Amino acid sequence: GAVVSQHPSRVICKSGTSVKIECRSLDFQATTMFWYRQFPKQSLMLMATSNEGSKATYEQGVEKDKFLINHASLTLSTLTVTSAHPEDSSFYICSARDPGGGNQPQHFGDGTRLSIL
Amino acid sequence: GENVEQHPSTLSVQEGDSAVIKCTYSDSASNYFPWYKQELGKRPQLIIDIRSNVGEKKDQRIAVTLNKTAKHFSLHITETQPEDSAVYFCAARSRNTGNQFYFGTGTSLTVIP
Repeated sequence: GAVVSQHPSRVICKSGTSVKIECRSLDFQATTMFWYRQFPKQSLMLMATSNEGSKATYEQGVEKDKFLINHASLTLSTLTVTSAHPEDSSFYICSARDPGGGNQPQHFGDGTRLSIL
Repeated sequence: GENVEQHPSTLSVQEGDSAVIKCTYSDSASNYFPWYKQELGKRPQLIIDIRSNVGEKKDQRIAVTLNKTAKHFSLHITETQPEDSAVYFCAARSRNTGNQFYFGTGTSLTVIP
């Protein structure tokens, strides 16, 4: 079953609206979560690394004031797209790494399809 | 940082044939290489992974090989079935970049019945 839960799965809203997406690890505590953006037929583009109890680390070219990340607990990270515009429409996916010893895979949420009108 | 390249971008095979997808990486400190399968509109699902201390790993119809010297790893799917049709992503994790994974650009596999 799913070990990472992402909500909502689909958002359609007007331009200028702020949208919050939640990512929860269900079976483990995740000190680090990742937020990706995926355009149609393209790969996963890492936007930022969410660190519990500290500031997120953003990839080059990603506006931190536009994509606010909060990782307030060991099981929850949120991504808020502020004042969203049509160009922000995309598929956003979060992931969390199982903290078990050694190399562990990332587990992905179901993704959020964001459509800005 | 790490740079992962993946080929081909699209692949069509007849049902029952084999499919091979190849990836290269740049960071010699990379030590973990997972493969993900993503169906349209769904989450990427881990299908197999390999660590740098192993050269090959197999799980039923799926196998992965790793050549550390050449810095490339490949996914092999045998006896392909229509339900194998999806986009496949390789990834690499480097000791130099903590928990961060670097993904390939993806391969859209179509299995023709």
